Amino acid sequence: QVQLQESGPGLVKPSETLSLTCSVSGGSISTVHWWTWVRQPPGKGLEWIGEIYRDGSTNYHPSLKSRVTISLDKSKNQFSLQLSSVSAADTAVYFCARKIYSAPYYFDYWGQGTLVTVSS
Amino acid sequence: DIQMTQSPSSLSASVGDRVTITCQASQGIRNYLHWYQQKSGKAPKLLIYDATNLETGVPSRFSGTGSGTDFTFTITSLQPDDVATYYCQQYDNLPYTFGQGTKLEIK
Repeated sequence: QVQLQESGPGLVKPSETLSLTCSVSGGSISTVHWWTWVRQPPGKGLEWIGEIYRDGSTNYHPSLKSRVTISLDKSKNQFSLQLSSVSAADTAVYFCARKIYSAPYYFDYWGQGTLVTVSS
Repeated sequence: DIQMTQSPSSLSASVGDRVTITCQASQGIRNYLHWYQQKSGKAPKLLIYDATNLETGVPSRFSGTGSGTDFTFTITSLQPDDVATYYCQQYDNLPYTFGQGTKLEIK
């Protein structure tokens, strides 16, 4: 059974960089799936941030592309999210998830989510 | 971006009721639509994929229909455990986008 677990600071100052890691257990991050970040502002809906494949290929939400980097660490079976120049609008619960490789491309495994607050 | 519009945004129904949620895409997305259930404080859970297919292990009281721009999600007999927010999500085009959610409560 694949499990995902987010970790990282729960509080980030405005203009700084948000950094989160997703640790994957029960399966290798080098398998044929995409590894994804989704966020949810408090009381609001879900927003796809971006994804990374085992060869390092990435796709990012256009509205965040200039500030987002998603990377893989195969040696630790982890993938990471960096979001630069954060503001209060980036306050959200951040989920990592696995997207299956082939159609119908759904998110089948999710982490529990971690709340990141942007505040001075 | 493809906009996904769900309605209603909230819904209150009685145990045993039939509940229907609609999702409309801003452009045709074939059947490339999924439905997720999110309980309070939890991650979303896949219920329906490709508009009509029930994920393994999901109760048969959940179902979905539609293609193109108009989709429907139905619970045939509402159970107390169904209290949650439900989201549609398209994967026809990047960026993947979700509906704004429908919060379902029990009367």
